[in-house]
Amino acid sequence: DAGITQSPRHKVTETGTPVTLRCHQTENHRYMYWYRQDPGHGLRLIHYSYGVKDTDKGEVSDGYSVSRSKTEDFLLTLESATSSQTSVYFCAISESKLGGPGNEQFFGPGTRLTVL
Amino acid sequence: GNSVTQMEGPVTLSEEAFLTINCTYTATGYPSLFWYVQYPGEGLQLLLKATKADDKGSNKGFEATYRKETTSFHLEKGSVQVSDSAVYFCALRTFTGGGNKLTFGTGTQLKVEL
Repeated sequence: DAGITQSPRHKVTETGTPVTLRCHQTENHRYMYWYRQDPGHGLRLIHYSYGVKDTDKGEVSDGYSVSRSKTEDFLLTLESATSSQTSVYFCAISESKLGGPGNEQFFGPGTRLTVL
Repeated sequence: GNSVTQMEGPVTLSEEAFLTINCTYTATGYPSLFWYVQYPGEGLQLLLKATKADDKGSNKGFEATYRKETTSFHLEKGSVQVSDSAVYFCALRTFTGGGNKLTFGTGTQLKVEL
């Protein structure tokens, strides 16, 4: 199994509070991704990173920010959580951009976030 | 834009039944296609993949063939087991300057009963 951990695994918070989710990898993979999973939508990309301090937006980035100061850590922050951000959040990593077996995305175990 | 359409679930089968989960896609260029599986309480795992037209991906008795002419990548298994109960996601991958991006279908829940 790819070495990916997410913390916390479960969190309940209130509307308007800031929340930070952490993804940590031990594979030294260059690319990291944050997805959210919601019924009827599958997984949707929030943000991704293609190197330390290099990040870009995905399809549902509004209300989220990310940071990557080290290869192994990718943080997702909800500056002011809303009930619409209640979801399961998955981190993923991949090694290379093009071709070969290294381009598979490996997923973490997920974080279940509830915003009341 | 890119999109993936899967049949809605849940799909309920008896053990040893034949499984088909339909998946069709819309994409520009020549995407790679994937099936991921999610067991209860876990993250997604890659089940199989195909990178070009007419390729067949296979793993653990599951198969899917990349059909460019019908833009489809249907998942099949000849004899399902209770342990196959999970949610299955079809996905396509395109490449950008910032890494490979996956576009997922909505997922199909499979329940296999004795």
